[in-house]
Amino acid sequence: RKEVEQDPGPFNVPEGATVAFNCTYSNSASQSFFWYRQDCRKEPKLLMSVYSSGNEDGRFTAQLNRASQYISLLIRDSKLSDSATYLCVGGRDDKIIFGKGTRLHILP
Amino acid sequence: GAGVSQSPSNKVTEKGKDVELRCDPISGHTALYWYRQRLGQGLEFLIYFQGNSAPDKSGLPSDRFSAERTGESVSTLTIQRTQQEDSAVYLCASSLSRDQPQHFGDGTRLSIL
Repeated sequence: RKEVEQDPGPFNVPEGATVAFNCTYSNSASQSFFWYRQDCRKEPKLLMSVYSSGNEDGRFTAQLNRASQYISLLIRDSKLSDSATYLCVGGRDDKIIFGKGTRLHILP
Repeated sequence: GAGVSQSPSNKVTEKGKDVELRCDPISGHTALYWYRQRLGQGLEFLIYFQGNSAPDKSGLPSDRFSAERTGESVSTLTIQRTQQEDSAVYLCASSLSRDQPQHFGDGTRLSIL
């Protein structure tokens, strides 16, 4: 099992829809979780950290499920500008692993 | 403040040449990472530095790859006797510590002819 695993997509979603991604992690001792977005031919940029109690930033909601070892990202009222690759990150202070990313295309 | 700075932005070189890539992390960030990203692929971890501790070199693909960092400052990634499969974007990131979010530079796009 890969240490951090994501569905590569692509997810093709109409503008205004809600889209959700999951990301599973294999190391139950993982403590730190993040979501990044990466635009085509650009560097990854931090979207949000993921906290145990779940957290929200505008249209974006991140959640952590320790029992099932996954994190999720929910995007509400999706915009054309949300089209990107979304990378999940999990680990602890001895190792941080990036997932391969999920491609999202928002359709007009 | 200033973000992570990488140079050069682009590098084209002939197979067999050595290349040196530079990364200037965010001031105060003790952790520094190098990644490789081939076209259409995910991030491939190469090496991690934390302060004055021994680096984690577990991701270096061969002995042609090496990296140095002096204290908490600039890092250089050196690739010797470059091969065509070394063509990729090399990304540097820094963070306050390993469990904190990483901030990436713009990357160096390396093309081996």
